[in-house]
Amino acid sequence: EVQLVQSGAEVKKPGESLTISCKGSGYSFSTYWIGWVRQVPGKGLEWMGIIYPGDSDIRYSPSFQGQVTISADKSISTAYLQWSSLNASDTAMYYCARRTFSGGRVDYWGQGTLVTVSS
Amino acid sequence: EIVLTQSPGTLSLSPGQRATLSCRASRTVSSNYLAWYQQKPGQAPRPLIYGASSRATGIPDRFSGSGSGTDFTLTISRLEPEDFAVYYCQQYGNSPSWTFGQGTKVEIK
Repeated sequence: EVQLVQSGAEVKKPGESLTISCKGSGYSFSTYWIGWVRQVPGKGLEWMGIIYPGDSDIRYSPSFQGQVTISADKSISTAYLQWSSLNASDTAMYYCARRTFSGGRVDYWGQGTLVTVSS
Repeated sequence: EIVLTQSPGTLSLSPGQRATLSCRASRTVSSNYLAWYQQKPGQAPRPLIYGASSRATGIPDRFSGSGSGTDFTLTISRLEPEDFAVYYCQQYGNSPSWTFGQGTKVEIK
C-alpha cells in the first residue's frame, strides 16, 4: 500500500528555522516526483515545488523560489521542506503529494503538517 | 504559467440535485491534463478525476468530468450528503509543475 506519512504539527516563533518531512512507503520512492502544496487556513491549494528523489532534480514555483528549500534523502525514502527564517505568513497546512509516473497528476497525498508561526 | 479559474465560488444545492462545476484555463491544457480533487474539512484532498474525464480508483460513477482545451466541467449527477465539500481543479503535465484553481465550495442549501 502506497503511503506518504508527514511529520507532526509544529509551533514556531518568527525568525526560527524549521524542516518538515514526508516519508514514502509501499513503492519505489526514488522513481516518483514528490511535490509540496501549501494551504493557508480557509484558502485554496498552492503548488510550492517538486523534487525527483532519484537525482534530486528540483523545480520551484516562482512564488516560493528563495522562500523555502526542498530536498530528499532517497536512502530513507523521505522528502523535506525547509525554512531558514519563518514569519507569520508561513502559517498554513503543508501537504506532500506523489506525482504519477506518466502524465503527472497527484495520485497520493500525505496527511498534512500544520505549521503555526506566532510570537 | 496557466491560470485556472473556477466558478462558481460557492454552489448551494440540496441532496439529490445535480452539481455542475466549471474550470476555465487561461490557455489550452495540453493532452487534457486536467484533474479534479475533493477536499473535506480537516482532510487532505482526494483525487476524483484525471485526464479531464477518467475517474480515479474507487470514485463512484455519479462523478464525471468533461471538457477539453480551456473549458472543463465536473458534474455530480445526484448529490449525496458526503459530497458537500470543496472541489479543486488542477493542471498538470509532462513538465513537473502543478497549477490549482481557487476552488468551488458545494454547500447544503
